[in-house]
Amino acid sequence: QSALTQPASVSGSPGQSIAISCAGTSSDVGGYDSVAWYQQHPGKAPKLVIYDVTKRPSGVPDRFSGSKSVNTASLTISGLQAEDEADYYCSSFRGSSTWVFGGGTKLTVL
Amino acid sequence: QVQMVESGGGVVQPGGSLRLSCVTSAFTFNTYDMHWVRQAPGKGLEWVALMRYDATRPSYADSVKGRFTISRDNSKNTLFLQMNSLRDDDTAVYYCARGTHFFSSWGQGTLVTVSS
Repeated sequence: QSALTQPASVSGSPGQSIAISCAGTSSDVGGYDSVAWYQQHPGKAPKLVIYDVTKRPSGVPDRFSGSKSVNTASLTISGLQAEDEADYYCSSFRGSSTWVFGGGTKLTVL
Repeated sequence: QVQMVESGGGVVQPGGSLRLSCVTSAFTFNTYDMHWVRQAPGKGLEWVALMRYDATRPSYADSVKGRFTISRDNSKNTLFLQMNSLRDDDTAVYYCARGTHFFSSWGQGTLVTVSS
């Protein structure tokens, strides 16, 4: 079961915007509107920041947004802040009651 | 506030067994699907298993199928993971997570180390 493909790292300066991609296939990302994104700070549990491709949980700033085109989903963070520095993971439902995660992307705020 | 507290991790020899627990509170446990997700040291997240809200239709990742068993006790708001025939590559922090198509809440995790 191959993981979804994310870039290993991205970086940006405070105030800038960055995007993290999550490439899958028609069997996962492209086949369902069930892509989610998680933020994980070192030593902490993951935290949901986007679900159902574009929706934000209560309490997550509107600087975080999600999108999807065919088999690739993206997380965009605008107005970067120092506290956004973390690892980010995408996930997707893969059918047959299974899920798959991306390999993770380390975001560095310069 | 939703709480999920994992326990049962520790050091075990290859081929050994462990049983993890996830005690939950502050939400209606028997209406939520529950999962186990793991993270090897320095690595990414890996979905492990699902148990539906009504304690039916478990599902497993290929990497643990036939070795791990997920279960739940809705009367005690608790999720379990029985892990048998443990291998070195099962070493990870194991998180319980709540949700249907995404994982809305997570516990703090419990570390399982498989080593001789």
